[in-house]
Amino acid sequence: AQTVTQSQPEMSVQEAETVTLSCTYDTSENNYYLFWYKQPPSRQMILVIRQEAYKQQNATENRFSVNFQKAAKSFSLKISDSQLGDTAMYFCAFMNAGSYGGATNKLIFGTGTLLAVQP
Amino acid sequence: GAGVSQSPSNKVTEKGKDVELRCDPISGHTALYWYRQSLGQGLEFLIYFQGNSAPDKSGLPSDRFSAERTGGSVSTLTIQRTQQEDSAVYLCASSFLGRGRIGYTFGSGTRLTVV
Repeated sequence: AQTVTQSQPEMSVQEAETVTLSCTYDTSENNYYLFWYKQPPSRQMILVIRQEAYKQQNATENRFSVNFQKAAKSFSLKISDSQLGDTAMYFCAFMNAGSYGGATNKLIFGTGTLLAVQP
Repeated sequence: GAGVSQSPSNKVTEKGKDVELRCDPISGHTALYWYRQSLGQGLEFLIYFQGNSAPDKSGLPSDRFSAERTGGSVSTLTIQRTQQEDSAVYLCASSFLGRGRIGYTFGSGTRLTVV
């Protein structure tokens, strides 16, 4: 069974600084997707960034980038130039891409990291 | 609608009562998921609907939990004889699954409090 581990329950960063959130996962699959979701107090899960396992290049979305180390099964999120609006819970998630449209397309989540951006 | 809509936003119920939570997915999304988020926990998969296929109910924690999806659109999650441990945020997500297109859109959830 796949598992996702986020070892940092809480993190704090000063506005405009850079912060890295850690995530490791365990799977025997070779083809899968990894995600970072942001959950602000509104509770809605917002997709931050997505990485396909078959791509060696790390995904980047504006101030957000990942460090994907497939052999180490590590998928960390770097937030550059942190803003107050980045304060939220961040979840790392895994999805097996083996059979799209089937029951295996469920996201498996870590327990989250609460990020506080300080002014 | 433009997004996934869930109702009610908050629900307080007495222990032993039944509750129904509603999810209205994005039009055209064939896949619908229910997750439960307990305090301090990640999201726990409950059930998955995909088109006309039999739902994947492998995440439902007990037979007090059931869900249905009518007409391939709106879904209702029912919890019978609620217990205090059922208190959580219940999140719904929908997705269009196709080659090269992978992504969920989540609703804002229903916060259920059993007293």
